[in-house]
Amino acid sequence: GESVGLHLPTLSVQEGDNSIINCAYSNSASDYFIWYKQESGKGPQFIIDIRSNMDKRQGQRVTVLLNKTVKHLSLQIAATQPGDSAVYFCAESPNPNSGGYQKVTFGTGTKLQVIP
Amino acid sequence: EAGVAQSPRYKIIEKRQSVAFWCNPISGHATLYWYQQILGQGPKLLIQFQNNGVVDDSQLPKDRFSAERLKGVDSTLKIQPAKLEDSAVYLCASSRGAGANVLTFGAGSRLTVL
Repeated sequence: GESVGLHLPTLSVQEGDNSIINCAYSNSASDYFIWYKQESGKGPQFIIDIRSNMDKRQGQRVTVLLNKTVKHLSLQIAATQPGDSAVYFCAESPNPNSGGYQKVTFGTGTKLQVIP
Repeated sequence: EAGVAQSPRYKIIEKRQSVAFWCNPISGHATLYWYQQILGQGPKLLIQFQNNGVVDDSQLPKDRFSAERLKGVDSTLKIQPAKLEDSAVYLCASSRGAGANVLTFGAGSRLTVL
């Protein structure tokens, strides 16, 4: 399928190394943050999320760090594998427990290329 | 559970023609989203439904785009007439409700306008 990452920033990483993908967000009211992975020809797939009352959350081989002071989010992938090659999007949402609807806004994305 | 189903996967039309996309969300998911993803960009929300009501259509070009979710289950997105700049992937997603829920996306419908 046609790549979704033709004009996106690209991060090239050697297989087995750790990857760090960064994201800056602009809305100070955002309280819930999500990382999605999008492979070519597919829709975005949830990886990990974090709420604003946390600064770090770990999953399987992935860690998300949140710095609300500078409105910065990062995704760390340990021991990067060829299957991790994809476009990664951060997404933000206002407080999901406010009783209102959840509006999810996506960033521009980063293409991760894993070199075997 | 079955995923979000979308059709058609690919569509090629000429400008000024019309096109419709269909989405069937995950069973029981109250919230349905349509996103537009232009090549090289992140998905942009077009419209969001909570059951069969619209909660956000602020970025939907209403002069040419329309969407409905009549029975609160599946949804259609229509473009009439299409413009060259409408060439994009149209992604449908669903989530359980209005709170903090993970969006599950379909594979998308790729539209090419010639």
